[in-house]
Amino acid sequence: SQKIEQNSEALNIQEGKTATLTCNYTNYSPAYLQWYRQDPGRGPVFLLLIRENEKEKRKERLKVTFDTTLKQSLFHITASQPADSATYLCALDPFAYSGAGSYQLTFGKGTKLSVIP
Amino acid sequence: NAGVMQNPRHLVRRRGQEARLRCSPMKGHSHVYWYRQLPEEGLKFMVYLQKENIIDESGMPKERFSAEFPKEGPSILRIQQVVRGDSAAYFCASSPPLLAGGQETQYFGPGTRLLVL
Repeated sequence: SQKIEQNSEALNIQEGKTATLTCNYTNYSPAYLQWYRQDPGRGPVFLLLIRENEKEKRKERLKVTFDTTLKQSLFHITASQPADSATYLCALDPFAYSGAGSYQLTFGKGTKLSVIP
Repeated sequence: NAGVMQNPRHLVRRRGQEARLRCSPMKGHSHVYWYRQLPEEGLKFMVYLQKENIIDESGMPKERFSAEFPKEGPSILRIQQVVRGDSAAYFCASSPPLLAGGQETQYFGPGTRLLVL
């Protein structure tokens, strides 16, 4: 069966360290994978999208990798701050293919990150 | 540019009543998606609409649930004869037309938290 799994439900990390979150998927061949941030009582906010032909993508203190052989994406936050505390969701579109948009995002359950001062 | 708007933010209904959830997409977005987030679960796709058309409702329960996106006005998710199991957060997302850059990124609203007593 198809699955998208975020290995840790919760991750505690000291301020200033690098947080690494994992997203694994099975029986999908996604053209891209996305990461979102969700704060309590709020909707998800898009952070980064990485395509199947990209190994790594960066945005400020965020870095995402995508390994289609391992069927895994890693999400890194460097120099973490208490304000980074939130739930981080990975998502993929099971019906998308390269070059075309699609619409039905499948989400992992998320990893709740707590950055301790 | 205002983001995706949803109202009400909180809705309490008794079993058997009807719930109406509204979503106004971002300006210029013609694609609307509804997701449901049950407690301790990930976001689940329900339905994808364009103006006056339901494109994909494969994630929506066959009974009691309906969605529309009229030519004028917000998108409506309607739940008839609510039951306790309908208690969840319902999120609406929108995206621009494909020609304007694709539908890969979805922009989420703050959600409506439905509580069925």
